[in-house]
Amino acid sequence: QLQLQESGPGLVKPSETLSLTCTVSGASTSSSDYYWGWIRQPPGKGLQWIGSIYYTGSTFYNPSLKSRVTVSVDTSKNQFSLKLGSVTAADTAVYYCARHPGGIAAALVNWGQGTLVTVSS
Amino acid sequence: EIVMTQSPATLSVYPGERATLSCRASQSVSSNLAWYQQKPGQAPRLLIYGAFTRATGVPARFSGSRSGTEFTLTISSLQSEDFAVYYCQQYSNWPPLTFGGGTKVEIK
Repeated sequence: QLQLQESGPGLVKPSETLSLTCTVSGASTSSSDYYWGWIRQPPGKGLQWIGSIYYTGSTFYNPSLKSRVTVSVDTSKNQFSLKLGSVTAADTAVYYCARHPGGIAAALVNWGQGTLVTVSS
Repeated sequence: EIVMTQSPATLSVYPGERATLSCRASQSVSSNLAWYQQKPGQAPRLLIYGAFTRATGVPARFSGSRSGTEFTLTISSLQSEDFAVYYCQQYSNWPPLTFGGGTKVEIK
């Protein structure tokens, strides 16, 4: 059974870089069938897609965050990661990792449980 | 960027009644639309994809429809476990994948 588990610091200082990892079990990040993505949700607010990566390393980012975001994949560890630079309080959110097909089938089929990241000094 | 607009923001419904949730796209997304259910403290759960198709394990009381750029999620007879927030999401033209602002279905 597929499981996605986010991990990383729960507290990040303003202007620093937020780093999270999603560990995948029950599926392979080297599969050609799926993309691996990050979505966030500020407390009490809606969902925002951050970016996704394909096993080849091809990345797709939300233009509103593109200058600060890097998503990478480590197929040997069956993990993918998110880095968000120059964080502010507005980046405080629950961060989810997810799996989705590509192209015009990109519904977010599987989600991790989410991890809260607070940006504060 | 395709903007998704959901209405109403909050829907108050008696258990057993029908709930109708709306989602409008700012331009055509064909039927490349998904609906998610999110309960407090939980990750979203995929309910509907391709505008009409229920995801695995989703009860038949959930159904999706489309008229042009207007999409509807209908819950035919609300059960206690259906009170939650519902989001629509388009994947027709991405990046970016975009979500609506959500509709909270609450007990009347």
